[in-house]
Amino acid sequence: EVQLVESGGGLVQPGGSLRLSCAASGFTFSSYAMTWVRQAPGKGLEWVSGISGGGGGTYYADSVKGRFTISRDNSKNTLYLQMNSLRGEDTAVYYCAKNLGWNDGFDPWGQGTLVTVSS
Amino acid sequence: SFELTQPLSVSVALEQTARITCGGNNIGSKIVHWYQQRPGQAPVVVLYRDNNRPSGIPERFSGSNSGNTATLTISRAQAGDEADYYCQVWANSTAGIFGGGTKLTVL
Repeated sequence: EVQLVESGGGLVQPGGSLRLSCAASGFTFSSYAMTWVRQAPGKGLEWVSGISGGGGGTYYADSVKGRFTISRDNSKNTLYLQMNSLRGEDTAVYYCAKNLGWNDGFDPWGQGTLVTVSS
Repeated sequence: SFELTQPLSVSVALEQTARITCGGNNIGSKIVHWYQQRPGQAPVVVLYRDNNRPSGIPERFSGSNSGNTATLTISRAQAGDEADYYCQVWANSTAGIFGGGTKLTVL
């Protein structure tokens, strides 16, 4: 069974940093692109970032470009999202998801981890 | 930038057919995916690549995509179908886009 488990969320002050992790199991992790999607409280889904299976290709939404860095460790079957210079508008539940293929849908999704940016 | 437009809400009577639209400029030239999100839960894909159902998704869910509108159709709507539904495309090969989401109410 494919499983994705996020961790690393929490309360952080504006301007601070946080690193999210997503532990994957049940599939050949290095063969699949991965994605981060976030959802602000009471709002819709927002695509944040994606990374190719080998890690050589990384892509970001304009809203996080230059502040967030996506990476992966295929030896540990783990996806990361390093978030710097955090702002209040970054407050959201962050989900990791497995891409069905490059430029494809997302399935499955993890349960999400909440990031709250507040003083 | 490419945008996807969904109605905020759609209501359907029990056992009737619900249609949720996703509008975008020439969206018919793109591949559309649909997600269901029940309250307090993570999204789940219900259709991928316009009209493909993952295992476990009932045949009642189907999709179409042409011109400027993609449509998720839910036949014989059930109480368990009540959820938020999101369409998603790739605006280009490096940027994913979601619609604003539609709340489906089954009356």
